[in-house]
Amino acid sequence: EPEVTQTPSHQVTQMGQEVILRCVPISNHLYFYWYRQILGQKVEFLVSFYNNEISEKSEIFDDQFSVERPDGSNFTLKIRSTKLEDSAMYFCASSDQGGQPQHFGDGTRLSIL
Amino acid sequence: QQPVQSPQAVILREGEDAVINCSSSKALYSVHWYRQKHGEAPVFLMILLKGGEQKGHEKISASFNEKKQQSSLYLTASQLSYSGTYFCGTANTGNQFYFGTGTSLTVIP
Repeated sequence: EPEVTQTPSHQVTQMGQEVILRCVPISNHLYFYWYRQILGQKVEFLVSFYNNEISEKSEIFDDQFSVERPDGSNFTLKIRSTKLEDSAMYFCASSDQGGQPQHFGDGTRLSIL
Repeated sequence: QQPVQSPQAVILREGEDAVINCSSSKALYSVHWYRQKHGEAPVFLMILLKGGEQKGHEKISASFNEKKQQSSLYLTASQLSYSGTYFCGTANTGNQFYFGTGTSLTVIP
C-alpha cells in the first residue's frame, strides 16, 4: 500500500538554526498538509498546499515557516530561526482530494536545544 | 474552528462500550475520525459528509447529526487494540483542517 514517508525521523537542532523537514506524499495525491503535535497535546493544523501554492494556513504558521514542493515528489517544511517551543512532532499528510481522508507519515520528532 | 471532544479520557474493560462526542458551534462541512496510538501517526477511521449520516467499520461506527454540528463515535465490545487517542477532525469549505481536542481511550483486560 502506498504510504507517506518523512525524513528524518528525529532532528536535533540548536536554537536559532534553520531546519528543513522532508516529506514524500503518496504519488497520485494532490493535497498536502503539515501538522504539529507538541508532546501529549492535540494535533495542530499548520498549512495545506495544493496546486503548488498554500491554500490555507493557521495562526501558528507565521513568517518563521515556509513550505515548498521543490520537485515532483518532495514536500518540505522549513522553519527559520528555531525556538525552544518549536520542539514537537511534525506530521506530513496527503489526500487525493480536499477534505478527503488524509494519509499521515510517521512524523519527524524535532528537538530544539 | 476547533471542535471540542468529550470525554477527555475513558478507561474501559475489554468488551465494554464507549461513546466519544465531537461538537462544534458551527455547522461542519465534514467530520473525520482518526485514532492515534502512542508514538505513532494518526490513522484514518472514517469520514461523514452528510447530516444524519451513519457509518460503521467493524465494531466502530459513527454518526453525524442533522444540523452537522455534532458527531459521535461508538465503540462496541471494545478490544485491547482499541486503546489510543481518538480525534475528530473537521474541514471547512476551503482546505483548512482542524483536529478536535482528543479523547484518550484505554482498554484494560
